[in-house]
Amino acid sequence: DSGVTQTPKHLITATGQRVTLRCSPRSGDLSVYWYQQSLDQGLQFLIQYYNGEERAKGNILERFSAQQFPDLHSELNLSSLELGDSALYFCASSVDGVGYNEQFFGPGTRLTVL
Amino acid sequence: DAKTTQPNSMESNEEEPVHLPCNHSTISGTDYIHWYRQLPSQGPEYVIHGLTSNVNNRMASLAIAEDRKSSTLILHRATLRDAAVYYCILRARPLNAGGTSYGKLTFGQGTILTVHP
Repeated sequence: DSGVTQTPKHLITATGQRVTLRCSPRSGDLSVYWYQQSLDQGLQFLIQYYNGEERAKGNILERFSAQQFPDLHSELNLSSLELGDSALYFCASSVDGVGYNEQFFGPGTRLTVL
Repeated sequence: DAKTTQPNSMESNEEEPVHLPCNHSTISGTDYIHWYRQLPSQGPEYVIHGLTSNVNNRMASLAIAEDRKSSTLILHRATLRDAAVYYCILRARPLNAGGTSYGKLTFGQGTILTVHP
């Protein structure tokens, strides 16, 4: 158990819909990272938050957005869903926001878009 | 990000040592070498990292070539639980990260390790 929790574990929805994925980092970790894992693209970095502020962006679509709240939990919002958004979404946390420390990954949310 | 090259797959027998290679010929002097692994149906987990010297921890050892263009992750006695995808990742030293790096992990295809009983 990494100490990072993600909800829900599974999500099935239809094209065009909007969903919210939630992540609670390990106690004491200030940085949250979101990654997407699909069969064709592998594991890809989406976005990073550090202590409530956006720190870095990766290959995140404009239809996707995220935020980190004062209690440090984070949400990833996916809208206008397409079939190709079906993937595993992982959240990771670390103590720092610049890469000194390892990242701890949650169990992931499996999103299926029908 | 500097690129890493790993074999697509490797096989081992239980209780035997496993050497997982990684080539990173374009590594910069300030890049750290990180290894993560992903067990089936789980998120990735940190294994080990190093800069220049060989490193040991409870999970594995990391042997880094003198010119740093390659490294090897060593599992001293493979168990069935070690069957996973192993990722070798270069990570810029934080002070030189600048721009948009800030500690993100850039995963390649990794090596699928199969452990036979």
